[in-house]
Amino acid sequence: AQKVTQAQTEISVVEKEDVTLDCVYETRDTTYYLFWYKQPPSGELVFLIRRNSFDEQNEISGRYSWNFQKSTSSFNFTITASQVVDSAVYFCALYGGSNYKLTFGKGTLLTVNP
Amino acid sequence: DGGITQSPKYLFRKEGQNVTLSCEQNLNHDAMYWYRQDPGQGLRLIYYSQIVNDFQKGDIAEGYSVSREKKESFPLTVTSAQKNPTAFYLCASRTGTRSDTQYFGPGTRLTVL
Repeated sequence: AQKVTQAQTEISVVEKEDVTLDCVYETRDTTYYLFWYKQPPSGELVFLIRRNSFDEQNEISGRYSWNFQKSTSSFNFTITASQVVDSAVYFCALYGGSNYKLTFGKGTLLTVNP
Repeated sequence: DGGITQSPKYLFRKEGQNVTLSCEQNLNHDAMYWYRQDPGQGLRLIYYSQIVNDFQKGDIAEGYSVSREKKESFPLTVTSAQKNPTAFYLCASRTGTRSDTQYFGPGTRLTVL
């Protein structure tokens, strides 16, 4: 069975603070893919990143960075110098080769206050 | 512009009525999905279709039905058999490879009165 845990239900920060969103996953597949999506108040899920299980290099895209560690089954997401526009629900998701679907975590609501 | 459209954005229905949610994509994607989202919850898969004229049940298919007569369209019908249909419904699509990224539409918020 596959499982994604986002232990932080809600996080509130002040603008310009750095914030890390945690994601821990479980899978028996040796080949799998991890995703992060952003859901702003409008409701649409916006794709942020896709990472396969063979690529443990961290990735940085502007103020966003992702830390993938197979040893701890984690795929954490950091926003540097947060902005009010970063306020949204963030979902971590897992696709395993033996399954047909994406398994989503329950999401983390990030509120960035001015 | 290429993308996924869902209509309407908000939908209100009386209890006992069937209702159909629209999902159209012009990305030439092979696979399409329907998810349900409840407050404070992740997304749960209702149905998915990997090719035209073929679809499979997801985790919570009871009370829902779909069709896939055209590659670009994947409508979802919420029937009166669905016990608690009030929710936010999201449609997604992806290219032919299962591990490819799923892209989502703007969603339809269904309220049953």
